[in-house]
Amino acid sequence: DSGVTQTPKHLITATGQRVTLRCSPRSGDLSVYWYQQSLDQGLQFLIHYYNGEERAKGNILERFSAQQFPDLHSELNLSSLELGDSALYFCASSVVPGGTQYFGPGTRLLVL
Amino acid sequence: TQLLEQSPQFLSIQEGENLTVYCNSSSVFSSLQWYRQEPGEGPVLLVTVVTGGEVKKLKRLTFQFGDARKDSSLHITAAQPGDTGLYLCAGPDSGNTPLVFGKGTRLSVIA
Repeated sequence: DSGVTQTPKHLITATGQRVTLRCSPRSGDLSVYWYQQSLDQGLQFLIHYYNGEERAKGNILERFSAQQFPDLHSELNLSSLELGDSALYFCASSVVPGGTQYFGPGTRLLVL
Repeated sequence: TQLLEQSPQFLSIQEGENLTVYCNSSSVFSSLQWYRQEPGEGPVLLVTVVTGGEVKKLKRLTFQFGDARKDSSLHITAAQPGDTGLYLCAGPDSGNTPLVFGKGTRLSVIA
């Protein structure tokens, strides 16, 4: 158990819909990272927040957005979902940027 | 974005055999990390290598960082079914904190 929690574990939805994935970092960790894992692309970095502020953006679509709240939990919002958005979404946290990242168990999203 | 290429993509071996998997890049990395991921779980960090030429051992697993810090290898001695999983290498992207991952080597150890 890494100490990072993600909900929900599984999510099935339809094209065009919007979903919110939630992540609670390890106690004391200020950095939260979101990654997408698909079979053909592997693990891809989406976005990084540190203490509530966006620090870096990766290959994140404009239809996707994220935020980190004052209690340090983070949410990843995915809208206008397409079939190709079906993937595993992981959250990771670290004490500071550049520190060891600990991954949560992931949310498996299936868009039908 | 720096790229990491892992090989082989798939590996199926018998219990007790030795194996090596590779992680290569044309770019220099300040450090490389190895993770293992099991089905339904997130990646779990195994080791971080920082110095060129560094060798780290974790029980039956030996990790090596290339002298030029462009490649790394993971050697498993006497593989066991519990070693089955997806092995990922990762490193900081161009000095930034987000990690770039290789696509992984999927290892299956058959009893």
